[in-house]
Amino acid sequence: DQQVKQNSPSLSVQEGRISILNCDYTNSMFDYFLWYKKYPAEGPTFLISISSIKDKNEDGRFTVFLNKSAKHLSLHIVPSQPGDSAVYFCAGSDSWGKLQFGAGTQVVVTP
Amino acid sequence: DSGVTQTPKHLITATGQRVTLRCSPRSGDLSVYWYQQSLDQGLQFLIHYYNGEERAKGNILERFSAQQFPDLHSELNLSSLELGDSALYFCASSVGGQNTEAFFGQGTRLTVV
Repeated sequence: DQQVKQNSPSLSVQEGRISILNCDYTNSMFDYFLWYKKYPAEGPTFLISISSIKDKNEDGRFTVFLNKSAKHLSLHIVPSQPGDSAVYFCAGSDSWGKLQFGAGTQVVVTP
Repeated sequence: DSGVTQTPKHLITATGQRVTLRCSPRSGDLSVYWYQQSLDQGLQFLIHYYNGEERAKGNILERFSAQQFPDLHSELNLSSLELGDSALYFCASSVGGQNTEAFFGQGTRLTVV
């Protein structure tokens, strides 16, 4: 069963604009959420995280928002840069650190 | 460099064979996780070890097994291989417990022919 869903398989955004990636989850036991970025032929790279007790976490160009009542989180990248072109995975984590990933969203940043 | 080392990077083997994938976690990390990424699919959780003990199992086939050794490195054993087992296998490690990030290795690409 798919506990984490990323319903947009792809996103195209112009350089300098905002990228918004969305993620929904069903497992109420998740207490930590993470975003990973993945380039082809490489392992996922940790990007940013948020605890379930917060609703926002910011790190440079990246901001993650969590809406627990809606079981929804989003990642904002602003401004988008060409190097941001990658697949982005949302993940929910249980108390043991086990991650359940969404299917990923391919982001393409165009000049 | 995440600090997680996986070997080999590539593996080509025939159906019915058995292979072993190896993972060395980051220094100090007690948790090791294995994930499978098939073509056009997300990362599927297979199994989690913490300090040598199995903590959680995901969608891991009975033909697959894993262990974590006293030096904390881990091995994933895949046997009676089928064409559908062709995938990228990732290992990740973390200090373990709540609210910790997992760091991934570069993966092992397994091709079953």
